[in-house]
Amino acid sequence: DAKTTQPNSMESNEEEPVHLPCNHSTISGTDYIHWYRQLPSQGPEYVIHGLTSNVNNRMASLAIAEDRKSSTLILHRATLRDAAVYYCILRDTGNQFYFGTGTSLTVIP
Amino acid sequence: KAGVTQTPRYLIKTRGQQVTLSCSPISGHRSVSWYQQTPGQGLQFLFEYFSETQRNKGNFPGRFSGRQFSNSRSEMNVSTLELGDSALYLCASRATQTGPIPTGELFFGEGSRLTVL
Repeated sequence: DAKTTQPNSMESNEEEPVHLPCNHSTISGTDYIHWYRQLPSQGPEYVIHGLTSNVNNRMASLAIAEDRKSSTLILHRATLRDAAVYYCILRDTGNQFYFGTGTSLTVIP
Repeated sequence: KAGVTQTPRYLIKTRGQQVTLSCSPISGHRSVSWYQQTPGQGLQFLFEYFSETQRNKGNFPGRFSGRQFSNSRSEMNVSTLELGDSALYLCASRATQTGPIPTGELFFGEGSRLTVL
């Protein structure tokens, strides 16, 4: 069973904010929420992660719902280089990563 | 710091053969995990090694195996190849940390693309 659910694809205009949603209704109290992205012909790369509180870094922000059953990755100003498949992942205390099928983000110039 | 290196990048095999893929983690990283990526199934966890011991294993048949050496380099082997084994095989390394909650990010290589004919 998939542990996370994401839309298959989304589009955004360049230089506009993008909100990528993820549902993880079966999350346990100790699962971390991670986001990775995969650019064409590359391996995935880390974007951000969090447990309960919202998180910010130079790449993005992560907003986590109070009940932790959903989260949203926020790219503040999409660029063409942000076009990628974004994976929302749960990481358990056994350090297993459960990748979903991801959201393919298209950035329109 | 050099990234995760996977070899070979591309290979073609026929059904029934076996294949060995290699992964060199980032220097100092002791954890190596392997993933299979296919268009239909997405990214699926195969197994993780830490200090030469397998710590976790995904839901794959016994034809998929791996090992890790004392220098943290890892290999994975697939025996009796099937057409469905055609995929991108990704390796990731992670810096381990103390404490019960794992938070270290994964660093992925560019993958080995296996085609089974």
